Amino acid sequence: NAGVTQTPKFRVLKTGQSMTLLCAQDMNHEYMYWYRQDPGMGLRLIHYSVGEGTTAKGEVPDGYNVSRLKKQNFLLGLESAAPSQTSVYFCASSMGTEAFFGQGTRLTVV
Amino acid sequence: DQQVKQNSPSLSVQEGRISILNCDYTNSMFDYFLWYKKYPAEGPTFLISISSIKDKNEDGRFTVFLNKSAKHLSLHIVPSQPGDSAVYFCAASIQGAQKLVFGQGTRLTINP
Repeated sequence: NAGVTQTPKFRVLKTGQSMTLLCAQDMNHEYMYWYRQDPGMGLRLIHYSVGEGTTAKGEVPDGYNVSRLKKQNFLLGLESAAPSQTSVYFCASSMGTEAFFGQGTRLTVV
Repeated sequence: DQQVKQNSPSLSVQEGRISILNCDYTNSMFDYFLWYKKYPAEGPTFLISISSIKDKNEDGRFTVFLNKSAKHLSLHIVPSQPGDSAVYFCAASIQGAQKLVFGQGTRLTINP
């Protein structure tokens, strides 16, 4: 079972570059989330989606955009990367109770 | 504004003993609470949950206790095993809001 799959697993960006992180889930879950994990900060919600075609802002949305064109995919975009966006990014999906997480994407912005 | 707080960044316990991880929350609207376990280079995995209508939930070696009046929950692991060494996150949600709010995490180390 694939569950939640994130692509890529690692990436190094230069300041100002753009990139898209892809999340795919095969559990037919309605809800999908993007979190970032930073030392001492836990997991903070960036954006989330409660269904295909919908998105909403979380706690720390600035500098990020998302799209949910298909139910199984949730994309996180960085239009102009900044060093403050160096983090580990986790995608998750849920049917409303516990969320299932991907393995994470380690992003470094230099 | 940290709505869910885990005030102990780390905890060290001897194998076979009880591990107790604590979590406090400030939002009285939270009515569903979860614990996740995370190994290095992996995503968090769901461990156990509790609804606000209960004060205790058990699953094998893991028990979660909820004290609504104190806005406090705890995770008990007994007996602790080396494989329990990981970072533990507590999380809270308002059912129907579809969002989980996480604490900062506690790194648990089980010593042989």
